[in-house]
Amino acid sequence: DGGITQSPKYLFRKEGQNVTLSCEQNLNHDAMYWYRQDPGQGLRLIYYSQIVNDFQKGDIAEGYSVSREKKESFPLTVTSAQKNPTAFYLCASSRWAGNTIYFGEGSWLTVV
Amino acid sequence: GQQVMQIPQYQHVQEGEDFTTYCNSSTTLSNIQWYKQRPGGHPVFLIQLVKSGEVKKQKRLTFQFGEAKKNSSLHITATQTTDVGTYFCAVRDSNYQLIWGAGTKLIIKP
Repeated sequence: DGGITQSPKYLFRKEGQNVTLSCEQNLNHDAMYWYRQDPGQGLRLIYYSQIVNDFQKGDIAEGYSVSREKKESFPLTVTSAQKNPTAFYLCASSRWAGNTIYFGEGSWLTVV
Repeated sequence: GQQVMQIPQYQHVQEGEDFTTYCNSSTTLSNIQWYKQRPGGHPVFLIQLVKSGEVKKQKRLTFQFGEAKKNSSLHITATQTTDVGTYFCAVRDSNYQLIWGAGTKLIIKP
């Protein structure tokens, strides 16, 4: 079954903790993305990667980090520097940058 | 940087009424994509428009790209409960990244 798998679906973070959200795709897409969505709001780009071992900051990269060691994987770490991390996080991929984007089912992160 | 304005933010309709959302840009667009996000779900690609004046239909959904390629609309005829969600447009910028509209939320009145 082809697609994008995000895990976990729900995650709770304590103050001061780093957490990592997993994103794996088997679509053989070159480009991958992380978006943040706050309730009732639009999509904001955190980071994107157009190729393995390369990634670029999006509009709201502060407090987040990523890696792209494999084509299939693009994990996002929400660091303690991100002061308001409670949100819905969406991983996505496309065949190449600017092409049709396919999203994972998302991860809900809540700070407790 | 490039921006795309999407209006309205919300639209409340009675089931069976029509719904329209609009996206506008100050610059000429190479193409525009439309996505739908159901409540609690993730955005799903609906369609891409490329040509000036293009009109595409998917059942009750009609997508239009303006003659000047600066605006686009999505029209739903006779809305049904399955249409509920938020509709986003997205356009490609000079760095081949997608710029997203703020979305229009379709709400069906009880």
